[in-house]
Amino acid sequence: EVQLVESGGGLVQPGGSLRLSCAASGFTFSSYEMNWVRQAPGKGLEWVSYISSSGSTIYYADSVKGRFTISRDNAKNSLYLQMNSLRAEDTAVYYCARSPYYYDSSGYYYRWFDPWGQGTLVTVSS
Amino acid sequence: AIQMTQSPSSLSASVGDRVTITCRASQGIRNDLGWYQQKPGKAPKLLIYAASSLQSGVPSRFSGSGSGTDFTLTISSLQPEDFATYYCLQDYNYPLTFGQGTKVEIK
Repeated sequence: EVQLVESGGGLVQPGGSLRLSCAASGFTFSSYEMNWVRQAPGKGLEWVSYISSSGSTIYYADSVKGRFTISRDNAKNSLYLQMNSLRAEDTAVYYCARSPYYYDSSGYYYRWFDPWGQGTLVTVSS
Repeated sequence: AIQMTQSPSSLSASVGDRVTITCRASQGIRNDLGWYQQKPGKAPKLLIYAASSLQSGVPSRFSGSGSGTDFTLTISSLQPEDFATYYCLQDYNYPLTFGQGTKVEIK
């Protein structure tokens, strides 16, 4: 069974740091791109960060750029999100999501998010 | 960043109704769009990718259409388990952006 399990969430003070982990199982982790997505309480979904299968390509949302760092350890089948300088507005459930893809007959690249982990709650408050 | 405008933000419908949700992109995104369903306290679930491709295991009452800037998710006959919030996601370029969501409630 393909599964993603997040951990590492909790209560942290403004300005503090936290490291989230996402443990993958049931598939060849090193072959897949991965993402982090978050959802503030009662709000919609917000994409946070992307990492390619090798880790060589990374993107961030402007709201976290310079404060968050995505990484992966393919030997450990794990994805990480190091979060520094945390703010109250970073309070959210953080999901990791696998990003399968395919190329169509014209060579165009399609991707999607499936599956998602169950999420881990990060609360930034004094 | 590409803005995704989803409408309506909520709707009330009855079991058996046909439901349509739309997403409009602020610029053309070819057909790089997915639809996700989220139930309270649960992770989102993929329904449709590449604008119109049905994810394996998703009931055929769900369908997607559109290309360029205008996209539609249709539920042909609403079932009790379909009451949830639905989001579109453009994956044309970074930063990826979601629509604000459509909450489908029981009438």
